[in-house]
Amino acid sequence: EVQLVQSGAEVKKPGESLKISCQGSAYRFTKNWIGWVRQMPGKGLEWMGIINPGDSDTRYSPSFQGQVTISVDKSISTAYLQWRSLKASDTAMYYCTRRAEDITTWTIDYWGQGTLVTVSS
Amino acid sequence: DIQMTQSPSSLSASVGDRVTITCRASQYLTKYLNWYQQKPGKAPELLIYSASSLQSGVPSRFSGSGSGTDFTLTISSLQPEDFATYYCQQSYSLPSTFGQGTKLEIK
Repeated sequence: EVQLVQSGAEVKKPGESLKISCQGSAYRFTKNWIGWVRQMPGKGLEWMGIINPGDSDTRYSPSFQGQVTISVDKSISTAYLQWRSLKASDTAMYYCTRRAEDITTWTIDYWGQGTLVTVSS
Repeated sequence: DIQMTQSPSSLSASVGDRVTITCRASQYLTKYLNWYQQKPGKAPELLIYSASSLQSGVPSRFSGSGSGTDFTLTISSLQPEDFATYYCQQSYSLPSTFGQGTKLEIK
């Protein structure tokens, strides 16, 4: 069974850095793009960006470009979402996602369980 | 970016009711519109892809229709487990975008 397993909840202070992870299993990791979606407390879903684990080609939403960095280590089937300097407004649940195999579309077929990031002084 | 507008934002219905949620895109999507269900405290799950294709394992009471800019999700006979929030997503171009969500509540 395909799984995306994310790292655990984090509590950080404003200005701190953070890197959360998402490990894929039960499929060939380099075959499907991995993306990230933000959900702020009580709010809807926001598409942040996506990376091709095969060649690290990365696309960002303009809303998140320059605010976060998406990376991958294909040797351990793991994708990352990173912040250099967190803000209180980064407090949210972050989901990693897998792009479906139909490469004509950016459909998400699997989701991780989510990583809750809390930024508070 | 393509803007996605769902309606209604919330909806009260009873078990057994037929329910329809609509999603309108600001640009032409051909058929590349998906629907997801999210229950409280859980990750979203794919219900419908490419406007009308049912994801494996999803009950047949869920159906999708539409093309171009206007799309519909229909639940033919609501079951207790269907009370959740539903999101549309355009998968036509990047950045992908979601509708604001429709919260389906028990009447």
